[in-house]
Amino acid sequence: DGGITQSPKYLFRKEGQNVTLSCEQNLNHDAMYWYRQDPGQGLRLIYYSQIVNDFQKGDIAEGYSVSREKKESFPLTVTSAQKNPTAFYLCASSMGVEGSTDTQYFGPGTRLTVL
Amino acid sequence: DAKTTQPNSMESNEEEPVHLPCNHSTISGTDYIHWYRQLPSQGPEYVIHGLTSNVNNRMASLAIAEDRKSSTLILHRATLRDAAVYYCIPGTYKYIFGTGTRLKVLA
Repeated sequence: DGGITQSPKYLFRKEGQNVTLSCEQNLNHDAMYWYRQDPGQGLRLIYYSQIVNDFQKGDIAEGYSVSREKKESFPLTVTSAQKNPTAFYLCASSMGVEGSTDTQYFGPGTRLTVL
Repeated sequence: DAKTTQPNSMESNEEEPVHLPCNHSTISGTDYIHWYRQLPSQGPEYVIHGLTSNVNNRMASLAIAEDRKSSTLILHRATLRDAAVYYCIPGTYKYIFGTGTRLKVLA
């Protein structure tokens, strides 16, 4: 069964702690993405990666870090520098083809709550 | 500045067709128009995409205006499971998911 998995589904952390969200895909996609969604809002791009060992900042990268050591995996670390980390985090992947035909496939999301 | 304009919310009765509009007047000539939907507490899922002519798949139909400045997602028979937020995204802005249209389906 091909798809994207995110773990955990719910995550709680204390203020001041770093936390890492997992994202794995077995679709053989080159590109992967992380988005943040706040209640009643759209998605905002945090980071994206079009190839292994390379990634770019999105619109709201401050307080977050990523790595892309393997094609299948794109973990996101929410650092203590992120002022308001409580949100729904979504990971996506796509083939990464040139042009605007590229379609993104999303994981089920991780809901992070900072206590 | 908004790249697309969609109504905040719409309602439909179950079993009836639904037409979800989107204005994208700044779209470039080579941009595909993508539609995604997001069910409550889930990640968005791809619905359909097209360039110029109308497109159909098992989930929906996409009608694209001749000038390409607007498009309409058509759900032929709405079900309760179609209640979701629907996002219209021109290809150039593929990382921008606005607030979309929240579709409510009435039983």
